[in-house]
Amino acid sequence: RKEVEQDPGPFNVPEGATVAFNCTYSNSASQSFFWYRQDCRKEPKLLMSVYSSGNEDGRFTAQLNRASQYISLLIRDSKLSDSATYLCVVGFQGAQKLVFGQGTRLTINP
Amino acid sequence: DTGVSQNPRHKITKRGQNVTFRCDPISEHNRLYWYRQTLGQGPEFLTYFQNEAQLEKSRLLSDRFSAERPKGSFSTLEIQRTEQGDSAMYLCASSLPGTGFSPLLFGQGTRLTVV
Repeated sequence: RKEVEQDPGPFNVPEGATVAFNCTYSNSASQSFFWYRQDCRKEPKLLMSVYSSGNEDGRFTAQLNRASQYISLLIRDSKLSDSATYLCVVGFQGAQKLVFGQGTRLTINP
Repeated sequence: DTGVSQNPRHKITKRGQNVTFRCDPISEHNRLYWYRQTLGQGPEFLTYFQNEAQLEKSRLLSDRFSAERPKGSFSTLEIQRTEQGDSAMYLCASSLPGTGFSPLLFGQGTRLTVV
């Protein structure tokens, strides 16, 4: 089983729609969680950290479910500029590494 | 200091040659990571430095790969006897010190093509 798993998609949704991605992780001792965004042929960039109580940044909401070992990302009122690959990242403190998921490709259609 | 800098941006090499990449992290970041990314995949962890100490190394990193961070500032990643399977984007990232994980800031990467 992979340490971090995401549905690779692609997800194609119309502009203005709400879209949600999940990401599961295998190590119950995982301590840090992030969502990154990566545009085609660019480096990944931090979208948001994920906190235990859940957090929101504008149209983006991140949730953590430790019992089921998954994190989620919700995008409301999607924009054309949201088209990108979204990467889930999990930190394993004991292993001193941040592990990326495969990424979920999202395309927002006009 | 505007961000993480990687050089070269692109490298084409013949199979069997050695290549070396350089990463200059943000100056106040003491943590430095190397990742490898192939098309359609997420970045794959290679190795991690805290200051000059290499604290974690992926089992995927064969003995042809070596990384250094001699003075705890810039880092180099060397691949010896390159193979076509080494073709990928090599990403360097750095982060602030702390008890947990701070978000990574990535460089623009070095794209390696082995022909």
